[in-house]
Amino acid sequence: QVQLVQSGAEVKEPGASVKVSCKASGYTFTAYYIYWVRQAPGQGLEYMGRINPNGGGTDYAQKFQGRVTITRDTSISTAYMELSRLRSDDTAVYYCARMWPKGNFYFDKWGQGSLVIVSS
Amino acid sequence: QSVLTQPPSVSAAPGQKVTISCSGSSSNIGINYVSWYQQLPGTAPKLLIYDNNKRPSGIPDRFSGSKSGTSATLDITGLQTGDEADYHCKTRDSSLSAVVFGGGTKLTVL
Repeated sequence: QVQLVQSGAEVKEPGASVKVSCKASGYTFTAYYIYWVRQAPGQGLEYMGRINPNGGGTDYAQKFQGRVTITRDTSISTAYMELSRLRSDDTAVYYCARMWPKGNFYFDKWGQGSLVIVSS
Repeated sequence: QSVLTQPPSVSAAPGQKVTISCSGSSSNIGINYVSWYQQLPGTAPKLLIYDNNKRPSGIPDRFSGSKSGTSATLDITGLQTGDEADYHCKTRDSSLSAVVFGGGTKLTVL
């Protein structure tokens, strides 16, 4: 079955970087875009960026330009999201989700989420 | 502030019907498809409705979606206690060239 399995929780100090992974299985990794979305405590969902695993092309939300980098390793069907210069308000659950590029922008499968806590 | 506007909370009794609204603009809902996600407490979001009104396999027909102009609506009939969750609408904003979400609506089944 289709699965997106994310890396575990992280605790980081302000100013550090965090890299979250999202391993795909049960489908052709390069056939679907991978999106990254975060959810701060008690808040809604927020788009961060996405990658096309077929070629590696990326797109980032303006808010995160310069701080977020999304990459992929097709040999292990894994996408990564790295967020740098962490602040306390980056404390959130980070989700990856897949989207079929020929569809109408819906996410049909999500990872389980990775909690990132930024605290000194 | 979210680009799409949802009511923070709605509530209804078991067996009743509830409607959750999602308001946008001509650059997002007005010209793009809407999807809805159900997020049970402590879990990841799950696709509930896509392409405005289609249900993925396994989603009961108690859940239905619609779109009119720059607003979308999620209807849930025959409410069950297991429907208590946060519901999020999502679309693409063509001016921002980005995916946008509503702020989410917490459904309480009294």
